[in-house]
Amino acid sequence: DTEVTQTPKHLVMGMTNKKSLKCEQHMGHRAMYWYKQKAKKPPELMFVYSYEKLSINESVPSRFSPECPNSSLLNLHLHALQPEDSALYLCASSQVHGYNEQFFGPGTRLTVL
Amino acid sequence: DQQVKQNSPSLSVQEGRISILNCDYTNSMFDYFLWYKKYPAEGPTFLISISSIKDKNEDGRFTVFLNKSAKHLSLHIVPSQPGDSAVYFCAAIIQGAQKLVFGQGTRLTINP
Repeated sequence: DTEVTQTPKHLVMGMTNKKSLKCEQHMGHRAMYWYKQKAKKPPELMFVYSYEKLSINESVPSRFSPECPNSSLLNLHLHALQPEDSALYLCASSQVHGYNEQFFGPGTRLTVL
Repeated sequence: DQQVKQNSPSLSVQEGRISILNCDYTNSMFDYFLWYKKYPAEGPTFLISISSIKDKNEDGRFTVFLNKSAKHLSLHIVPSQPGDSAVYFCAAIIQGAQKLVFGQGTRLTINP
């Protein structure tokens, strides 16, 4: 299984809502990532988890809260977002060591009203 | 400071011909390079990679060339097919650092 799955595919939320994005992989990868991608831009790294521990936080605002419940799952909790947070949110996974190709999920298209 | 650059925002190639996508980098610490393909509203799909100890890696229709002295890599697609129309991202990483650095992408259009 070489797939990273993400749910939901689309999400519309108001600025006062709380929602969560979910990501799952069954490739045995122990590194998982959250990226944000705006139109016509490359993916922008937000968070990295290695062995279920947060290893990189790219100075992301606290209204984004990541969680890694186990080695296969990665969540991104959203609260009090701004319209400028509307983007495609991508999850990826990879091996921790060695040359680590990152495999991406299909993304969640988030719209903040 | 853009460490990975794809200077051509777009490229148009006739079906059956060769597509050549270019990428330059500035950080000599990068030791692994990857190409991803992305369709609209989908996640990037890993295509091919190359280690800094090699100068060429081939996988089917896709070949990546690395010129370390020039800090330049290129992706060759031969022959180009309509399904190759997508945005291609070059990315670089320092082994163990986990942080992929992406270029801005090149939109490839294959014309029939």
